[in-house]
Amino acid sequence: GENVEQHPSTLSVQEGDSAVIKCTYSDSASNYFPWYKQELGKGPQLIIDIRSNVGEKKDQRIAVTLNKTAKHFSLHITETQPEDSAVYFCAASRSGGGADGLTFGKGTHLIIQP
Amino acid sequence: NAGVTQTPKFRVLKTGQSMTLLCAQDMNHEYMYWYRQDPGMGLRLIHYSVGEGTTAKGEVPDGYNVSRLKKQNFLLGLESAAPSQTSVYFCASSYSGSDTGELFFGEGSRLTVL
Repeated sequence: GENVEQHPSTLSVQEGDSAVIKCTYSDSASNYFPWYKQELGKGPQLIIDIRSNVGEKKDQRIAVTLNKTAKHFSLHITETQPEDSAVYFCAASRSGGGADGLTFGKGTHLIIQP
Repeated sequence: NAGVTQTPKFRVLKTGQSMTLLCAQDMNHEYMYWYRQDPGMGLRLIHYSVGEGTTAKGEVPDGYNVSRLKKQNFLLGLESAAPSQTSVYFCASSYSGSDTGELFFGEGSRLTVL
């Protein structure tokens, strides 16, 4: 089955700086790569996703890049703000996010220092 | 719309006791899922359902049973709780016709087994 590795487990950055979280996956057939944000006491929420036919996708301050050859994808957050503090999960799926769900990474706790 | 609602939000059990977690969604989603979240382990899929009357095993199904008698509800049962089942449980749903497969999560149910 799919195996998703996520690094780092904890990331502390100064407010206004950029943050980068990296993930690798094992199944070359995976074609859908979402990122979820989990705020304290809440369930995860999708913030951005990318499919294997696209190399990069941006949405305001967040962007995701995908390197299919290396089986590697990353989340980039620019101009970090206090509300970016949360746990971020990457995930991968070979079914485009279908019924068998996603394989998640173990999460990155992002801390934005004032 | 309430989205995905989980009950109860907190529960303490003794080893060997049984209980049922209820998940309800009002988005008319076909797919529903139960995940468990443990420190340093990310989100792991327990069971999922592709429609009313159907269920399937995920990554960590042992010790759990599920039922999907109505499209809007997905029940997770523990017949004989064990301390290893102490966790935060998340229910999620998704739309089968979506090309993104976005998961909509509930706010979680924290279970402690003594």
